[in-house]
Amino acid sequence: DAGITQSPRYKITETGRQVTLMCHQTWSHSYMFWYRQDLGHGLRLIYYSAAADITDKGEVPDGYVVSRSKTENFPLTLESATRSQTSVYFCASEAKVLSGSSPDTQYFGPGTRLTVL
Amino acid sequence: RKEVEQDPGPFNVPEGATVAFNCTYSNSASQSFFWYRQDCRKEPKLLMSVYSSGNEDGRFTAQLNRASQYISLLIRDSKLSDSATYLCVVTAPSGGYQKVTFGIGTKLQVIP
Repeated sequence: DAGITQSPRYKITETGRQVTLMCHQTWSHSYMFWYRQDLGHGLRLIYYSAAADITDKGEVPDGYVVSRSKTENFPLTLESATRSQTSVYFCASEAKVLSGSSPDTQYFGPGTRLTVL
Repeated sequence: RKEVEQDPGPFNVPEGATVAFNCTYSNSASQSFFWYRQDCRKEPKLLMSVYSSGNEDGRFTAQLNRASQYISLLIRDSKLSDSATYLCVVTAPSGGYQKVTFGIGTKLQVIP
């Protein structure tokens, strides 16, 4: 199916374990993003990628690693999970408008609810 | 000061009422503005973009005031299905890319 998907949808892990959250989009959008959403905070950008093999830090990158070997995939890895990383993680991709003055739009995956015990 | 500020609410309004949300932003170089809607435990979805001249989509009207650095969302004839959290989103140039900043959202509850 077309769109943006995330897996797993729910994950419980323990402190210190490595966890990888997957994100896959079928639109061939060049930009992809990882956000976390916590109570009292807006969506906060962890990492983003402008294209395959191009990634950059966002607002809260510490403790996370990303890669983008293929345009359609953008996995997020928590190298050693901590309780403060308990959150809802959203992946998004961006439709770049090639002409005109219309703003860009981000499309979000359904999210991964991660609990670190 | 937060880059994008919203009143988290909740705004409890009866069906049929008109409700308005404001969102202020601090970066005067901000270029693009959006309202997203997020239902409980779901992903955010674009509701509408906000243009300088203001724009309307059915019962929804969005306006931008660059001088005062705020955007607004007006919902007329509220429906139960409008109950959700409304996220203000602002983009600004940052190192060759448009940095996207989300507000914490304003929660709307439409009451029968």
